[in-house]
Amino acid sequence: ELKVEQNPLFLSMQEGKNYTIYCNYSTTSDRLYWYRQDPGKSLESLFVLLSNGAVKQEGRLMASLDTKARLSTLHITAAVHDLSATYFCAVEETSGSRLTFGEGTQLTVNP
Amino acid sequence: GAVVSQHPSWVICKSGTSVKIECRSLDFQATTMFWYRQFPKQSLMLMATSNEGSKATYEQGVEKDKFLINHASLTLSTLTVTSAHPEDSSFYICSAILAGATDLWDTQYFGPGTRLTVL
Repeated sequence: ELKVEQNPLFLSMQEGKNYTIYCNYSTTSDRLYWYRQDPGKSLESLFVLLSNGAVKQEGRLMASLDTKARLSTLHITAAVHDLSATYFCAVEETSGSRLTFGEGTQLTVNP
Repeated sequence: GAVVSQHPSWVICKSGTSVKIECRSLDFQATTMFWYRQFPKQSLMLMATSNEGSKATYEQGVEKDKFLINHASLTLSTLTVTSAHPEDSSFYICSAILAGATDLWDTQYFGPGTRLTVL
C-alpha cells in the first residue's frame, strides 16, 4: 500500500521567511503533484513533477522531486500572507492510476 | 480550460435520508471520475473510481451499498449517500479524467466540492 507522508503538518511562519515542506512516499513513482487548498474550497493544482530531478517554480514556490529518495520538497521563498493555505502532495503510483494524498501541511503566514 | 462542476455545493439533510451529489464535466468528456471524501482538517481519501458504462470500483472500507455511484454518461457521475448519518458529514470532491487520456498529469480536473452536513 502506497503511503505518502508530509512534514510538517502545521507550519506558522513570518512574512519574508523561507521554509520547506517535505513529502515522502513509500513506493516507486515518478509522478508527484502539489496542490493548494483554501478553507472550504477544492484543490488548486500547483505543480506536477514527472521525472527524477524535476524542478518547477512559480512565484515564491518551488517544487522538486528526487525519485531515488522518494522525496519531494515544496520550498517557500519570502513568504507572504496570501500563501496561507493547506498544501497537499499526491503521488500517482502507476501511470494513469489514481492519486494517493499526503496528510496536508497547514501553512499560516503571519504579518 | 476544462471545468468540473458539482451540485449542490452544500447540503444539509436529516439523518436517515438519502442525498445525491452530481459531478459534471462541462466542456469535455470523462470516461473516468474519482470520488474523494475529506473530513475536517484531514486529507482527501479516495472513495471510488467511477467508469462510464460500468460498475464503480470502491476502495477498501467504503460501503458500496451506502455510497451508490452512477456514471451514466460521459459528462455526469452521481454519488448517492443512502440513509445518511452524522458521521457521513464531510466534504465530497470529485475529479474527472479527460476521455482518452493515458496520463493524469495534464488531464485530471477537480470539482469545487460538496459539503454535506447530516443532522
